[in-house]
Amino acid sequence: GDSVTQMEGPVTLSEEAFLTINCTYTATGYPSLFWYVQYPGEGLQLLLKATKADDKGSNKGFEATYRKETTSFHLEKGSVQVSDSAVYFCALTNHNNNDMRFGAGTRLTVKP
Amino acid sequence: DVKVTQSSRYLVKRTGEKVFLECVQDMDHENMFWYRQDPGLGLRLIYFSYDVKMKEKGDIPEGYSVSREKKERFSLILESASTNQTSMYLCASSFTGLVAKNIQYFGAGTRLSVL
Repeated sequence: GDSVTQMEGPVTLSEEAFLTINCTYTATGYPSLFWYVQYPGEGLQLLLKATKADDKGSNKGFEATYRKETTSFHLEKGSVQVSDSAVYFCALTNHNNNDMRFGAGTRLTVKP
Repeated sequence: DVKVTQSSRYLVKRTGEKVFLECVQDMDHENMFWYRQDPGLGLRLIYFSYDVKMKEKGDIPEGYSVSREKKERFSLILESASTNQTSMYLCASSFTGLVAKNIQYFGAGTRLSVL
């Protein structure tokens, strides 16, 4: 079945460092890809999405590009802030259904 | 803004108790979901519902049941709580539409401890 694999954390960075969180997927057809973020004590919020190959999703300085050739959707940010400390989840859905598959989550801590 | 509200942020229950977790959404979404979140395992789907009175099993339905009597409300029921059901429970909803399809909106979660 469809699945998502993301890099294990935790990831600890200093403020203004460059961030990459790797995400690869296995799916039939042409899935939509998502990054969700979970701040401490809260539910998940949609961070960005991409619905077809070569699409780039972006929000709040984060970006991810849908790469069909490498089945990847890596999350990047050029300069992280302390307020970016959270757990990040990569996810996919297939257009045939509403089922969403999540990665295990990557905890990011940004230190001043 | 879409709002998904879970009735409790924290619950402590005893083994064998019947537990109800309630979720309400205010955007007239057709689809509603219950997940549990455990460290290192991400989110695992327990049950989902595409319509009133309709339910489908997810990946880990054992020990759980659900109820959807009204479109805006989706309840998760632990018939006889056990310690291995201690977890964070997340409710989500989504709209079935061509453009907005598949984006799920989440509640803040209920952290359940079963003693």
